[in-house]
Amino acid sequence: DTEVTQTPKHLVMGMTNKKSLKCEQHMGHRAMYWYKQKAKKPPELMFVYSYEKLSINESVPSRFSPECPNSSLLNLHLHALQPEDSALYLCASSQGTLSRQPQHFGDGTRLSIL
Amino acid sequence: AQKITQTQPGMFVQEKEAVTLDCTYDTSDPSYGLFWYKQPSSGEMIFLIYQGSYDQQNATEGRYSLNFQKARKSANLVISASQLGDSAMYFCAMRGGRSNDYKLSFGAGTTVTVRA
Repeated sequence: DTEVTQTPKHLVMGMTNKKSLKCEQHMGHRAMYWYKQKAKKPPELMFVYSYEKLSINESVPSRFSPECPNSSLLNLHLHALQPEDSALYLCASSQGTLSRQPQHFGDGTRLSIL
Repeated sequence: AQKITQTQPGMFVQEKEAVTLDCTYDTSDPSYGLFWYKQPSSGEMIFLIYQGSYDQQNATEGRYSLNFQKARKSANLVISASQLGDSAMYFCAMRGGRSNDYKLSFGAGTTVTVRA
């Protein structure tokens, strides 16, 4: 079992729907990340939060909106997604942002856009 | 810019044998971290092992060891005594040493299939 918990595990939504992905960690980590991963490809970084502040937005379309309500929680709000947004969305956390601190990933949410 | 190269798209290994997964990297940072992750078909990304650029010894974690050759910029993963549960995709990744360098750069991945 991973120490980073993501819900839901699977999500099917229409292009006009609004939904949210949730991520939670209780390891006291101060950096949290969202990644998008297409099948048989490496993960692509979307957002980084450090000490609950957005540090990096990798030019992600505005239909993806991240939120970090507190140091343990990270949300990804979805609205008006496109079929090409169907992917595995992975949340990760790390103790800090030093290069020696590994990122620990959740199980991911498999998102399908109809 | 950092770049990670994994040249083996897929590998087959017999159960109980060892397998080496290749990884080369390119960076101008003197300080960096190298990581290996395992991703089974179920999707979770599992952290396996870490090697720091200034570490003198090769990292080991159970059946996993990292063959770090800094001059050649390679960080190969060795899995000893392969098990059926080792069948997965394996990613090599690197992170720079600067304090604001959050990005983990991944290689393309190697799919390992363990045969009984």
